[in-house]
Order: sequence, then C-alpha cells, then structure tokens
Amino acid sequence: AQSVSQHNHHVILSEAASLELGCNYSYGGTVNLFWYVQYPGQHLQLLLKYFSGDPLVKGIKGFEAEFIKSKFSFNLRKPSVQWSDTAEYFCAVNAMGTGAGNNRKLIWGLGTSLAVNP
Amino acid sequence: EPEVTQTPSHQVTQMGQEVILRCVPISNHLYFYWYRQILGQKVEFLVSFYNNEISEKSEIFDDQFSVERPDGSNFTLKIRSTKLEDSAMYFCASSEMGTTVRSPLHFGNGTRLTVT
Repeated sequence: AQSVSQHNHHVILSEAASLELGCNYSYGGTVNLFWYVQYPGQHLQLLLKYFSGDPLVKGIKGFEAEFIKSKFSFNLRKPSVQWSDTAEYFCAVNAMGTGAGNNRKLIWGLGTSLAVNP
Repeated sequence: EPEVTQTPSHQVTQMGQEVILRCVPISNHLYFYWYRQILGQKVEFLVSFYNNEISEKSEIFDDQFSVERPDGSNFTLKIRSTKLEDSAMYFCASSEMGTTVRSPLHFGNGTRLTVT
C-alpha cells in the first residue's frame, strides 16, 4: 500500500536557522508530490508541488523541495526561517497508478509541527 | 483569491445523531472532496465527487456517510448516526480538474466535529 512518512513530528528552531523536513513515500511508480502548510487557525495551503522536470522545486515564501527518486524522498527546505513560518507542514503524494480513482486522491504524511522562536 | 468555505467551524453532537457538514467550493471547480483528520493521525481521504456522483470513496466512507450537491454551490457531507470515532476535523476541498497535478486541491478551513 502507498504510504508517506514524515520523520520529524515536532521541530523547534530559532529565527534565521535553516530548515529541512524529511518526507519519504512508498510507491514504485510515477508520483506527484506536494507540500501543504497549515498556519494556526487557517486552512491547508499548497506550498509547492512536483510532477515532472527539474527535481528541485521552488514554492512560495522561500521554500523549496528536492525530489530524489532513488531515495523515494521529497524533503522540504528553507535556508532561513521566520517566526511566521510557525505552522504544520504536510507532505502528500498522488500515486499515478492504474484505476480511475488514483488520480483524484492524496496520501498524506502525519505532518510536522514547526515552531520558530523569535 | 477565491476560497473554499466550510460551516460550521465547530460542531458538537451526541452519539447517534445526524450531522451535516457544509462546504461551498470555489465556483468554477468541478471536483469536490472530503478528507478528515482524527487528532494525532494522518489526513485521510474520504470521498471524491464529480458530475453529481461519487467518483471514488475510501473504506472509511461506509453507509453512514453520504455526500450531496443540493444546488449549484453547496457540497455537503452527512453522517447519519454519528459515533465517537467520527470525532475529527473534516476538510472539504475542490479542484478545477480531476488530476491533482495541474489543478491542486484547495482546502477549506475545516469543521471540527466532536461527538459526545
């Protein structure tokens, strides 16, 4: 079965520190990969997505993620975090398998809670 | 920027009662979804809906659940007889197209359902 693992459940950083959140998935076929963010009291928002091409993807607010196919990973990075980055971060995978349904649902990781201290 | 809106933000109900969670997807979107997140667990897919019918549902989406698009704007999730384990945050989402590649999901703020 397809699954997504996020290794860090809680991360605490000081402002200006660098961030890397791990995400690994299990699926042998073609995947589309996403990072969503949920700020306190707000809805889930798309940070960035990968579906093909350059494996280094740049998203909003200075975030980027690198797809490493051989490692089944899609880690999220930001060189210098801000207090406003405090949020819950979710990695999600859309497995492009056979069957009509596979294109329309996401498989989610457990999420990583990031707290940035000013 | 258009948003998906969900009401209510928090619903408390007694076990065995029926609840209806409401969502207004983005107006030009054609695909609608419900996800839920039980506290401390992963976000789980419940159901997708297109062209006035369910296109896919998970094993969670049993006979106690139903979805409806009663008019041109609302998309509802009904739980007929709630159980304690239905307590969760329910997220509605919509997308312009069916594949998430070219049209990612847009989520509402969620409805926190508490079953007592």
